[in-house]
Amino acid sequence: RKEVEQDPGPFNVPEGATVAFNCTYSNSASQSFFWYRQDCRKEPKLLMSVYSSGNEDGRFTAQLNRASQYISLLIRDSKLSDSATYLCVAVEGWGYQKVTFGTGTKLQVIP
Amino acid sequence: EAGVAQSPRYKIIEKRQSVAFWCNPISGHATLYWYQQILGQGPKLLIQFQNNGVVDDSQLPKDRFSAERLKGVDSTLKIQPAKLEDSAVYLCASSLGAERNTEAFFGQGTRLTVV
Repeated sequence: RKEVEQDPGPFNVPEGATVAFNCTYSNSASQSFFWYRQDCRKEPKLLMSVYSSGNEDGRFTAQLNRASQYISLLIRDSKLSDSATYLCVAVEGWGYQKVTFGTGTKLQVIP
Repeated sequence: EAGVAQSPRYKIIEKRQSVAFWCNPISGHATLYWYQQILGQGPKLLIQFQNNGVVDDSQLPKDRFSAERLKGVDSTLKIQPAKLEDSAVYLCASSLGAERNTEAFFGQGTRLTVV
């Protein structure tokens, strides 16, 4: 079993739709979690951190469920520019100790 | 603010040859990471430095890969000898430090093709 699992997709959604991705992690010692965005042939860039209480940044909402060991990313009102691969990251320990990336979920927003 | 610099951007070598990648992290960033990203997969951590000390190299194939971060700033990653399966993008990232969770900034990567 992979330490961090994601549905690779692709998720093809129309503009304006709401889409949600889940990510499960197997290491119960994971302390912090992040979502990164990676455009084709580009480097990953931090989208948002994921806090226990959940957090929202504009159209993006991230949630953490420690009991079930999964995190989620919700994108509302999808834009064409949201098309990318979304990488889930779990970190054991504080300060980027034992960083594990998921394989990524590909999102394609269709006009 | 200057980002993480990597060179070269692209490299094509034959199997069994050697190759080296260079990374210059963001100024003041104590933590430096090297990742390997194979097409269609997420980045896999190869090695993590805190200043010039190694924090985690558990996934580094030490029989052929080596990395150093002399003086706790720039870093080089070397593969000797290369295999076909080493074809990937090698990403360098840096962050402020290990004391608290801070964002990791990635360089543009070096795309290695082994033929």
